[in-house]
Amino acid sequence: SQTIHQWPATLVQPVGSPLSLECTVEGTSNPNLYWYRQAAGRGLQLLFYSVGIGQISSEVPQNLSASRPQDRQFILSSKKLLLSDSGFYLCAWSIRGSGTQYFGPGTRLLVL
Amino acid sequence: AQSVTQPDIHITVSEGASLELRCNYSYGATPYLFWYVQSPGQGLQLLLKYFSGDTLVQGIKGFEAEFKRSQSSFNLRKPSVHWSDAAEYFCAVGPGRNNFNKFYFGSGTKLNVKP
Repeated sequence: SQTIHQWPATLVQPVGSPLSLECTVEGTSNPNLYWYRQAAGRGLQLLFYSVGIGQISSEVPQNLSASRPQDRQFILSSKKLLLSDSGFYLCAWSIRGSGTQYFGPGTRLLVL
Repeated sequence: AQSVTQPDIHITVSEGASLELRCNYSYGATPYLFWYVQSPGQGLQLLLKYFSGDTLVQGIKGFEAEFKRSQSSFNLRKPSVHWSDAAEYFCAVGPGRNNFNKFYFGSGTKLNVKP
């Protein structure tokens, strides 16, 4: 069966510091991968999605970037965090064409 | 443009009462429709999905949803709510046969259950 992992679960970072959040999927090959952000009391905002290694589509201009160095690894990064980057970050995967998306447990990021 | 609207931000129901959460969508093709549930501090769990066929779909935890093309709706229902159903619920539209890769989520409905 497929599983999706995110780490860390919780992160507290100062403004201006770098960020690296990691997401890995097991039990499937060539998945579509997604990064979402969920701000307090708000819905899900799609940040990036990827249909293959090195292929990243950005949905919202922002302080963040994403990379997919391996088939089942998706990384969310920032060179300098802003206060507004605080939120709950969710990684998800889907099988291309299957139409169903599965979510990881999330990372709560607090920028102080 | 594709979009999903959940008009109710918060809903409170008594335990044992019936529940209906509303979802309306705008989508140019035949939609794939989903309902997800999120407990506090957790990821999203898939409750049910509609791709085609019977417009009334059954999901986990006793939930069901009905696709009404004429109303562009996909409302979630449960005949008798349990206290453990208190959570946030998200409706989503996903890639259809046109092979899009993106999913669109509503802003969510928070469900409170009174004892």
